[in-house]
Amino acid sequence: NAGVMQNPRHLVRRRGQEARLRCSPMKGHSHVYWYRQLPEEGLKFMVYLQKENIIDESGMPKERFSAEFPKEGPSILRIQQVVRGDSAAYFCASRPASGPNEQFFGPGTRLTVL
Amino acid sequence: DAKTTQPNSMESNEEEPVHLPCNHSTISGTDYIHWYRQLPSQGPEYVIHGLTSNVNNRMASLAIAEDRKSSTLILHRATLRDAAVYYCILRDVDIGAGKSTFGDGTTLTVKP
Repeated sequence: NAGVMQNPRHLVRRRGQEARLRCSPMKGHSHVYWYRQLPEEGLKFMVYLQKENIIDESGMPKERFSAEFPKEGPSILRIQQVVRGDSAAYFCASRPASGPNEQFFGPGTRLTVL
Repeated sequence: DAKTTQPNSMESNEEEPVHLPCNHSTISGTDYIHWYRQLPSQGPEYVIHGLTSNVNNRMASLAIAEDRKSSTLILHRATLRDAAVYYCILRDVDIGAGKSTFGDGTTLTVKP
């Protein structure tokens, strides 16, 4: 059973470009979370999604950031018009619909904005 | 979210036990205590979780205070591979509850 997969693992963008980060949850998992980790800091919650629904986006910046988890395919975190402050590691976690609310994390995408 | 407080850093010698403390004085009755660890350049890895009773698994033990306002993650014999940032977080038992708040964690250094 493959774990949570994220791609790309490393992404370099110039200021003003768009970044698309993908997360494929573990098989059978219908809940996805996105976290951001700035250098030398802990993980900060961004958004919590179920298939086709955003459940909690209280950690998402109000502008330029969006997330989706379609019925088919991976979850996408999209950052428009990236700025240098967006440089960070972005982690995705998934869990099944029932159970002890344990989250399984992917290896992360490291975004560098030049 | 109920918050947790952990020491910024701890050191241990290889082969010795390590006790990593966590304070969570505002824990609610429906909060589980979860521990994750993050090795350098990797995503967080689940370690253990508990509600009221002490828990053991192949990785570690979790000791929970009777009033649940604090807990301790116990690594029985530290190895160099246990060097990581350890996060103590609270998560509601309600499966619909979403986000988790990760603090800055405790950076564990293991000396050979």
